Amino acid sequence: EVQLVESGGGLVQPGGSLRLSCAASGFTFSDRYMNWVRQAPGKGLEWVGRSTSKAESYTTEYAASVKGRFTISRDDSKNSVYLQMNSLKTEDTAVYFCTRDTFGSMDYWGQGTLVTVSS
Amino acid sequence: QSALTQPPSAPGSPGQSVTISCTGTSSDVGGYNYVSWYQQHPGKAPKLMIYQVSERPAGVPDRFSGSKSGNTASLTVSGLQAEDEADYYCTSYAGNNRYVFGTGTKVTVL
Repeated sequence: EVQLVESGGGLVQPGGSLRLSCAASGFTFSDRYMNWVRQAPGKGLEWVGRSTSKAESYTTEYAASVKGRFTISRDDSKNSVYLQMNSLKTEDTAVYFCTRDTFGSMDYWGQGTLVTVSS
Repeated sequence: QSALTQPPSAPGSPGQSVTISCTGTSSDVGGYNYVSWYQQHPGKAPKLMIYQVSERPAGVPDRFSGSKSGNTASLTVSGLQAEDEADYYCTSYAGNNRYVFGTGTKVTVL
């Protein structure tokens, strides 16, 4: 059974940093591209970024709203993908989901972890 | 990259059909056959309902169907049921390892 479990959310002050983790199981993690998607309270879904696999040199890409502040990394030995978030703004407050990428879609989602940026 | 445009709401009576549109540009919806649709119930994670424009994952009822014409994709829910009441989001690959989501549509079963 495919499972994605996010962790690391919490309350952080504007300008602060936070690192989210996503632990994957039930599939060959190293072969798969992974995404981060967020949803602000009461709002729609927003794609945050994507990491390709080792075969594609772990290429990453980001939404314009987070580029230069957020970094996606992964540790295939731990079946985990991470989202390092720096220079956080109040508008980054959201539930953050990690997703598995398949055929240009996101076929599995974690339960999400809430990040609140507030003073 | 601007969000894909969806209608805010799509009401329908039980047994009827509703169709949700998702309008983008030639750089996303019109340029790739990587349009997918997600269903989200309140407080839950989204669930993949359609991928590659019109393909259904295992376990998704055949009441859900997808299509695309030019820069606009569509999701049709036939034989509407109470459990179909949810928010629906489209997304499209937009090149260079990027995705863009739609604005979301709330389907209400009257």
